[in-house]
Amino acid sequence: AQSVTQLDSHVSVSEGTPVLLRCNYSSSYSPSLFWYVQHPNKGLQLLLKYTSAATLVKGINGFEAEFKKSETSFHLTKPSAHMSDAAEYFCVVTLFGNEKLTFGTGTRLTIIP
Amino acid sequence: DGGITQSPKYLFRKEGQNVTLSCEQNLNHDAMYWYRQDPGQGLRLIYYSQIVNDFQKGDIAEGYSVSREKKESFPLTVTSAQKNPTAFYLCASRPPGQGNIHGYTFGSGTRLTVV
Repeated sequence: AQSVTQLDSHVSVSEGTPVLLRCNYSSSYSPSLFWYVQHPNKGLQLLLKYTSAATLVKGINGFEAEFKKSETSFHLTKPSAHMSDAAEYFCVVTLFGNEKLTFGTGTRLTIIP
Repeated sequence: DGGITQSPKYLFRKEGQNVTLSCEQNLNHDAMYWYRQDPGQGLRLIYYSQIVNDFQKGDIAEGYSVSREKKESFPLTVTSAQKNPTAFYLCASRPPGQGNIHGYTFGSGTRLTVV
């Protein structure tokens, strides 16, 4: 079984300040984890993925995430927020050989000018 | 450029009507998926297909039907049996191999509204 919990439904930060979007997962086996971003009325774009290689994963647009097995977490961070980062972010978990992706409920990121 | 094309972008359905959402990909991906997105609920899997002429139900298949006659195409029909069809529908595909390695590619979605 697999599940993912995004701890914040809405996060607001000022432009130029750090971003932290939190994700905890539950999985019977070693999971693969993804972060996707969705701008309004658009599809989902892959930001980054963890697939049992390096625990610190770098993605596009300056985002990165760290896989912490002991804390069952995969939090998304960015050192300095930009207005274009305003969007909804989804944490996703899956297992090897499993067709099913399990999505979190999303975190809406608002950037304050 | 390769990608997934969903059409139409907006669709309005009257009560009791069946409507079909189109999903076409030119990525040469074998597996294709349909997800439904509702506010605050993330994405839920409706149907998926790993190969032409074969498909499986996802978590919320009731009231929906699909076909996979061509590798490039995976249309979704929302039938009159679907009691609450208003939602944002996303089509996705993945390259050969396991989805947990590559992730999925998503289309830009179709917003369906019942009027």
